[in-house]
Amino acid sequence: EVQLVESGGGLVQPGGSLRLSCAASGFSFSSSWMHWVRQAPGKGLVWVSRINSDGSGTSYADSVKGRFTISRDNAKSTLYLQMNSLRAEDTAVYFCARDLLVGANFDYWGQGALVTVSS
Amino acid sequence: AIQMTQSPSSLSASVGDRVTITCRASQGIRNDLAWYQQKPGKAPKLLIHAASSLQSGVPSRFSGSGSGTDFTLTISSLQPEDFATYYCLQDYIYPPTFGGGSKVEIK
Repeated sequence: EVQLVESGGGLVQPGGSLRLSCAASGFSFSSSWMHWVRQAPGKGLVWVSRINSDGSGTSYADSVKGRFTISRDNAKSTLYLQMNSLRAEDTAVYFCARDLLVGANFDYWGQGALVTVSS
Repeated sequence: AIQMTQSPSSLSASVGDRVTITCRASQGIRNDLAWYQQKPGKAPKLLIHAASSLQSGVPSRFSGSGSGTDFTLTISSLQPEDFATYYCLQDYIYPPTFGGGSKVEIK
């Protein structure tokens, strides 16, 4: 059974940092592109970042470029999102998701991790 | 970035109704479009990719069509478990962009 389990969410002050983790199981993690998607409270879905299977290629939404870093440890089957210089508008539930192929179709999702940026 | 415009943003329907949701892209995206269903407090679920390919395990009452700029998600006979919010997503060009969502509510 495919499972994606996020952790690391919480309350952080503006300007602070947080690292999200997504532990994967039940599939070949090292062969899969992975993504982060977020959803602000009561709002729609927004793609945040993606990383290719070996970690050599990454992409970011303009809104997080230069502040967030996506990475992975294939030996641990874990995806990460390092979030620095956090802003109130980064408050959201962050989902990790597996790519169905090598584009941006997300066939498996984690349960989400809530990040709240507030003083 | 490509803008994805969904309509309607919400609708009320009854069990058994045929429901159609549309998604329009700000430029041509071939058939690089997916549809997702999301229920409150849950992660989204992939229903359709490549505009019309039904994801494994998704009931056949869901179907998708379209190419270029105009796309449609159809639920042929609405079931109680289908009341949810639906999102389209283009993956033709990065960044991938979602539509604003269409909430299907019980009439």
